[in-house]
Amino acid sequence: TQLLEQSPQFLSIQEGENLTVYCNSSSVFSSLQWYRQEPGEGPVLLVTVVTGGEVKKLKRLTFQFGDARKDSSLHITAAQTGDTGLYLCAGDDTPLVFGKGTRLSVIA
Amino acid sequence: DAGVIQSPRHEVTEMGQEVTLRCKPISGHDYLFWYRQTMMRGLELLIYFNNNVPIDDSGMPEDRFSAKMPNASFSTLKIQPSEPRDSAVYFCASSLYFRTDGNGYTFGSGTRLTVV
Repeated sequence: TQLLEQSPQFLSIQEGENLTVYCNSSSVFSSLQWYRQEPGEGPVLLVTVVTGGEVKKLKRLTFQFGDARKDSSLHITAAQTGDTGLYLCAGDDTPLVFGKGTRLSVIA
Repeated sequence: DAGVIQSPRHEVTEMGQEVTLRCKPISGHDYLFWYRQTMMRGLELLIYFNNNVPIDDSGMPEDRFSAKMPNASFSTLKIQPSEPRDSAVYFCASSLYFRTDGNGYTFGSGTRLTVV
C-alpha cells in the first residue's frame, strides 16, 4: 500500500487569510483526489487531478498535481469559517488510499 | 437518490458484546467499501465488495470482524466480540467504478462506535 503524507496536521487561521496544505508520496499515482470532511459526516469529494502539473480551481480553492504525480497541494484564498473541516487527499491505488488529513480551523 | 445510508449513527456497547453495522449503498453502484477512521490511523480500508462478492478483506483487523453483502442494496459489518480498541468511526462508501476516474467514492455519514 502506498502512503500519503499530509501536512500540516493541524492549521488554525483567521478569516481572510490564505493557506496551503500539502499531500506527498514517494510513489506515483494515476490520479489523486481531495475530499473535505465536516464533523459528524463522511468525506465529500472536492476534485480529482489526473495529469502531472494539472491545476484545477473550485471557487477560492486551487488544486495542483505535481509534475511527477507524486504530490499535490491545495491552496485556499481568503479563507472563510465555512472552510473549516478535515481535508483529505486520496491516491488511486486500487482502491483509494487516504492520507490522515489536515484539520483546518478558520476563526472569525 | 438518498446517498449511502448507514445505521446506527451511534453505538455504545460493552466489551464482549456483538455489534452489527449496516449500510445501504447507492443504487447501481457496483463497489462497496468499509473504512474505519481513528485519529491515530486515519481512514483505513477494511474490506471491499464488487457485485456483492468480497474481493479484498486484508484490512480486516482480525477474526472478530466479518462483513457480508447478501444483495446489492445491503451490507453488514459485524464485530464479535467487541473490544475497547474497536472504538472508531466506521464508514461505508460506494462507487460506480473501481478506478475513480473523477467520480470518487460516496461516503455515508458513518457509525460512531464506542466500546466500554
